[in-house]
Order: sequence, then structure tokens, then C-alpha cells
Amino acid sequence: GQQLNQSPQSMFIQEGEDVSMNCTSSSIFNTWLWYKQDPGEGPVLLIALYKAGELTSNGRLTAQFGITRKDSFLNISASIPSDVGIYFCAGQSVGGSQGNLIFGKGTKLSVKP
Amino acid sequence: ETGVTQSPTHLIKTRGQQVTLRCSSQSGHNTVSWYQQALGQGPQFIFQYYREEENGRGNFPPRFSGLQFPNYSSELNVNALELDDSALYLCASSSPADGNTIYFGEGSWLTVV
Repeated sequence: GQQLNQSPQSMFIQEGEDVSMNCTSSSIFNTWLWYKQDPGEGPVLLIALYKAGELTSNGRLTAQFGITRKDSFLNISASIPSDVGIYFCAGQSVGGSQGNLIFGKGTKLSVKP
Repeated sequence: ETGVTQSPTHLIKTRGQQVTLRCSSQSGHNTVSWYQQALGQGPQFIFQYYREEENGRGNFPPRFSGLQFPNYSSELNVNALELDDSALYLCASSSPADGNTIYFGEGSWLTVV
């Protein structure tokens, strides 16, 4: 099935460092979403973006909806051990049904205390 | 916790058997979508239900079918199970009244042997 290009695939960082990950698509999206998934659980919504150029923060997390509508990034500032997990970007394409999200393959984040 | 509940949490089936997975949507959410997440991959959209009818489908064969009930709860049925059907099956719900934000349940782990 169609997937987004999400990078990096994995990151190993020191506690306190900033993190950046991004997603790109060959097609335009109406909505970009960022989820975090812990082992054995479902994805939890972190940030939702609905407009090109939109920059939204949620605590230490900041995400942007790219101007071209084909990309998005997520930044985490001052990482802490509980940030460990897999981060997924997801997009809703133009003309797609409301619940039809296209997901990236995920970025696995490991934080060393 | 999102309010989307799924059952069972884990199950093991034999190749060729049939399985039914259940989902209760978040209160007031009238749209339910189902996703398949293989190990190490992002979720893949299976289909979506709104007002008890399927109104969007991903690239999955007809042996994947579903139902939505008047109380918005939903079932995913998979016939003639194959080994590759082993995955985490996620249910998600949304509603225009809630900004169409998509919330996921914790999933049902299916192992086909």
C-alpha cells in the first residue's frame, strides 16, 4: 500500500537533546498528523495540522505542515526518557475518505539517560 | 486513554479459519475505520464505516469485511485466514463534531499459525 517517506528510521540520543524527524509525500495532503506508539499499544495523537504553513506546538513538541502540502516535520525539544517510542506521521490525501490515513513507517526514538 | 475499546486483545487462529474483531467507538463518534499494522510497519487503512455503510476501502481483498451497528460500534471479519494476516488490527473513530480528529484503540493482536 501507499506509504509516506519518514526519516530517520531510528535515532539514539542523549537525554536533553533536541530531536527532529520529517515526512515527505509525492502527493498533496489535506491534513498531517503525528502519532506516538508505545509497545503493545495503539497510536496516540500528538499534533494535528490542517493548513499549509501551519506551525503548532504541544508542550515540548512542535510540528509544521509544509507549504507545498507534501511534507511535515516534528521537533521534540529537551528530550526525556519517556519520549522513547515510535513516532508516526500520517496524512489524509485529497479526495480520501475521512478515516483513510496514510502512514509513514515510523521513527524509533531511543533516549539515553 | 482515547475511549476507543477493542476486543479481544490477543488471539491465535489457524490458517483457513475465520476471525471477528470488535470495536466500540469513542462516545458520539459516528465514523469507524480499521487498520492493519504488521510488525515494524505503519498502519495500513482497511476500510471505513459511516452510518452503517462502508464508505472507503484500502487495498485489501474481499475476505476482509466489516459491519457497523446503530450504536456506531463495529466489527472486522476476516475469512480464510492466511499467515500474512498476522498483525495488530487497530480500530479508530472520529466525528465532525470532534473536528474529525482520529483516535485509535489499543488494537487486537492476531496471530495466524
